[in-house]
Amino acid sequence: AQSVTQPDIHITVSEGASLELRCNYSYGATPYLFWYVQSPGQGLQLLLKYFSGDTLVQGIKGFEAEFKRSQSSFNLRKPSVHWSDAAEYFCAVGASGGYQKVTFGIGTKLQVIP
Amino acid sequence: KAGVTQTPRYLIKTRGQQVTLSCSPISGHRSVSWYQQTPGQGLQFLFEYFSETQRNKGNFPGRFSGRQFSNSRSEMNVSTLELGDSALYLCASSLAGASVETQYFGPGTRLLVL
Repeated sequence: AQSVTQPDIHITVSEGASLELRCNYSYGATPYLFWYVQSPGQGLQLLLKYFSGDTLVQGIKGFEAEFKRSQSSFNLRKPSVHWSDAAEYFCAVGASGGYQKVTFGIGTKLQVIP
Repeated sequence: KAGVTQTPRYLIKTRGQQVTLSCSPISGHRSVSWYQQTPGQGLQFLFEYFSETQRNKGNFPGRFSGRQFSNSRSEMNVSTLELGDSALYLCASSLAGASVETQYFGPGTRLLVL
């Protein structure tokens, strides 16, 4: 069975600073990897996903993530954080070739200070 | 296209009661997944339905059940409510439920058990 670890429960960054949110997964084959964002009082929205090809994936809102098989990681990055990026971010892994049983990480809550 | 809708948005129940939550997927989506979200636990997968059949099930007790109708709308039921069932219940839909697909989440139903 697959699993996901997000080691940082809470991160605080200054507006304009760069951001990296960590995600490590466990899965025997090539996984499908996702980053979702949840703003307060709302459901989750997909930022980006990886399933094959280029290991550097571009997403919405200026986010990108890099799949590193050797490190079992899929870290999310943004070069310059905006106050509106304050939210909770979830990394998720899905079994390749299977049906919807995606495993989510515990989430990282991002606080942006002026 | 209308997004995923969930009703009701908020519920207060007492221990021992039962509750039914409803989810209407995006038009054309045939897969519906349910998740329980609690602080410190992240999103826990409950079950996934496709064409009125449960295809996947998470590790929850039998008090948690669901069903899907021919129009793809889904309901989940929790019987004999416990305090620990207090959570945000999220519904997500996708076209066919393949693990590689993007899931589109509703805003959730917040359940408080007193």
